[in-house]
Amino acid sequence: QVQVQESGPGLVKPAETLSLTCTVSGASTARSDYYWGWIRQAPGKGLEWIGSVYSTGSTHYNPSLQSRATINRDTSNNEFSLKLTSVTVADTGVYHCARIASVGNYLLSWGQGSLVTISS
Amino acid sequence: SYVLTQPPSLSVAPGETARIACGGNNIGTRSVHWYQQRPGQAPVRVMYLDNERPSGIPERFSGSNAGNTATLTISRVEAGDEADYYCQVWDSRSDYLAFGGGTKLTVL
Repeated sequence: QVQVQESGPGLVKPAETLSLTCTVSGASTARSDYYWGWIRQAPGKGLEWIGSVYSTGSTHYNPSLQSRATINRDTSNNEFSLKLTSVTVADTGVYHCARIASVGNYLLSWGQGSLVTISS
Repeated sequence: SYVLTQPPSLSVAPGETARIACGGNNIGTRSVHWYQQRPGQAPVRVMYLDNERPSGIPERFSGSNAGNTATLTISRVEAGDEADYYCQVWDSRSDYLAFGGGTKLTVL
């Protein structure tokens, strides 16, 4: 069974960089039949796609976050990561990593989520 | 980027049928997927590729997609179906993964 698990600091100061890692078990981040993404959810709000990384290492981002977000993949450790720079309180929320089917582009596996609070 | 519109809330009595709509421009030409999210939990896929049910999802859940509206239908609604439901598509023109705003289903 494929599992993904987020890890990282739960508290980040405004203007600093949010960094999260997603550890994958039961599947390889190098395979091409699926890819990997980050989705977030502000308190009491809906789901927002941040971006995705593919088996080739290429990436796509939500245009609203593209200037601040970077997603990288580490096949040697079978994990991928998210960095979000210049954070504000509006970036507070639960961050989920996910496995996404390459055919159909639907989410196959979700992590439980990592709550990140932006506060001084 | 592609916009998906869902009603914020829907209330149904136990045993009745819930129909959750997801609107989008020519959404019938795209594959639509649906996720259920209970409070404090990660989303769970309940429908994919318009009308395919993942294993473990009851047959009471079904999906359809045509024209400008996709619909998730839950028959014989139970108290355990109370949750937020999100539709999702991939917009290949802008390489964008879009979610609807979510519908909160309340079982009366």
